Amino acid sequence: NAGVMQNPRHLVRRRGQEARLRCSPMKGHSHVYWYRQLPEEGLKFMVYLQKENIIDESGMPKERFSAEFPKEGPSILRIQQVVRGDSAAYFCASSPIIGELFFGEGSRLTVL
Amino acid sequence: TQLLEQSPQFLSIQEGENLTVYCNSSSVFSSLQWYRQEPGEGPVLLVTVVTGGEVKKLKRLTFQFGDARKDSSLHITAAQPGDTGLYLCAGPLQGAQKLVFGQGTRLTINP
Repeated sequence: NAGVMQNPRHLVRRRGQEARLRCSPMKGHSHVYWYRQLPEEGLKFMVYLQKENIIDESGMPKERFSAEFPKEGPSILRIQQVVRGDSAAYFCASSPIIGELFFGEGSRLTVL
Repeated sequence: TQLLEQSPQFLSIQEGENLTVYCNSSSVFSSLQWYRQEPGEGPVLLVTVVTGGEVKKLKRLTFQFGDARKDSSLHITAAQPGDTGLYLCAGPLQGAQKLVFGQGTRLTINP
């Protein structure tokens, strides 16, 4: 039973480019969460999605960031016009029910 | 401001020693979870505590949930280098369907 799959594991972008991070939840899990982690810090909630619905996006910056979880395919976290401050590790987690989270290995974004 | 405060932030001890790390809040949580994260990887769930005063043991790790469900502790007996990592506590935000995390305790066990 495959775990939460995230790709790419590492992504380098120049300022102004777009970053797309993908997350395939564990089989049977319908809840997907995205968290951001800066070096030496804990995880900051960004967004919670179920299939085709954004349930809570209170942690998402108002501009440049968007997320989706389509009926078919992985969840996508999209960052437009990246800036250096977007450099971080982005973790996706899935859950069969609200509560315990199973995390992927993260996508590490570096903005030059 | 951090809803869940973890202490200490950094801890470096010798193999074989015992240690306790803490997770505190001014808010009541219906449950608290502990995760361990190793460098370059995602957090892995260790335990969930649900009942006030609950104690759970996982080999050399003992987790306790405070009676008032506002705090939790993790005690490691006879620490080993394999225990090295970032220990995160997390709890569900009341009225919201998401987990909030503490800033973590970075533990280093020296051989």
